[in-house]
Order: sequence, then structure tokens, then C-alpha cells
Amino acid sequence: DAGITQSPRHKVTETGTPVTLRCHQTENHRYMYWYRQDPGHGLRLIHYSYGVKDTDKGEVSDGYSVSRSKTEDFLLTLESATSSQTSVYFCAISDGRNQPQHFGDGTRLSIL
Amino acid sequence: DAKTTQPPSMDCAEGRAANLPCNHSTISGNEYVYWYRQIHSQGPQYIIHGLKNNETNEMASLIITEDRKSSTLILPHATLRDTAVYYCIVRVALQTGANSKLTFGKGITLSVRP
Repeated sequence: DAGITQSPRHKVTETGTPVTLRCHQTENHRYMYWYRQDPGHGLRLIHYSYGVKDTDKGEVSDGYSVSRSKTEDFLLTLESATSSQTSVYFCAISDGRNQPQHFGDGTRLSIL
Repeated sequence: DAKTTQPPSMDCAEGRAANLPCNHSTISGNEYVYWYRQIHSQGPQYIIHGLKNNETNEMASLIITEDRKSSTLILPHATLRDTAVYYCIVRVALQTGANSKLTFGKGITLSVRP
């Protein structure tokens, strides 16, 4: 399995609080992605990164920000969490724009 | 990216081959076919991908028709641990740019029975 660690694995928090999810990789891959998975919607891309400090928006980026200060870490931040952001969040990595993406085990986030 | 069509579910007996079909009739010449699977509560797992030729790896074989409008994922000897949702995804091969997102549909639920 690809060396991807997501933390925390589970989190429950309240509406309006900031939340940061971390994705850590040991593969030295250039590309990193954040997806969310919700019933009826499949996986949807939130943000992605194509290098240190190089990030861009995906299809559902509103309410989320990301940062990548090191190759191995990609952080996803919910500045002020809302109940609609309750979801399972997956990080993925790949070593080329046309190479397969490999996923972490996910973070289950509940916002009350 | 081209859309894909998969039946919602299928089952097979343990030890037998599982043949999972996928239609992608609007696929373009520069689009790859990818297969992923997701076992309950886990992240999606990459299985295999191909462009024109059939492909085989330690997990599965991918058979792409000559007109590329459909493909079949073959698990040669299915086990109970292969029970999962399998996603067929078509993705354009990028020459430039960085957004190479995967678009997951509903997939096909494979149930392997003892």
C-alpha cells in the first residue's frame, strides 16, 4: 500500500469551529488531492496540489482551504465548519498527472 | 471526461472468475480506462488501467474492446475479500496542466458468495 497517513481518522466538532485535516505521504509524490465522499454524490475533488506551495481548486472548494509547505504534507482546513461539511474525506497522491492516484484510509468528520 | 455505465450489482461464487462490465461509448482516443474498488469504510484502491491494449497485473486483467467503447475487468479467482464496489473511470490523458481528477460514478457492487 502507498505510504499515506490521514489524521485524525475520526473527528466530531461543532458548527463554527475551525478544523484541519492532515495528509502525510512517504512516497515523495508530486501530486496530492483532497476528496470528499457523500452518499449519492460519490467522490468529489475539493483541492489539489501539484507541488510545494502550488495548489488549485477542485469542484467543491467553497469553505475549504489547503496548504502544502512540504512535499510530504497536504493540509485541508475548514475555517468555520458547517453541518454540510460532515463527510468522509480522502487524501490521494500520484507521481504524475496521468498516473494512478492512491488513496488514504479517510477521515470521518462529523459537524454537529 | 467520458461517462461510464455499469450495472448496479452482480455476484459470483468464490474461486470463480468475476467479469465486471463497463460501457464507455463516448470515449475519446486520448482517454484511459481506470478501475478502482472500494471496500466498505476504506479508501478507494487502484486496480488497473489501460488505453487500447489489454492489461494484466497481479490483481486483475483489463480487456478493452477493439472499438474501445466497452471494457471488462476480470478477477480470475474471486475471494470473499473481493466483495466491494468497483468503479470504472475514464480519464483524459493530460499533456499540460495539473488537474487530473478522477470522476467516480456509482460503480458496481460485487458480492462474492462462499
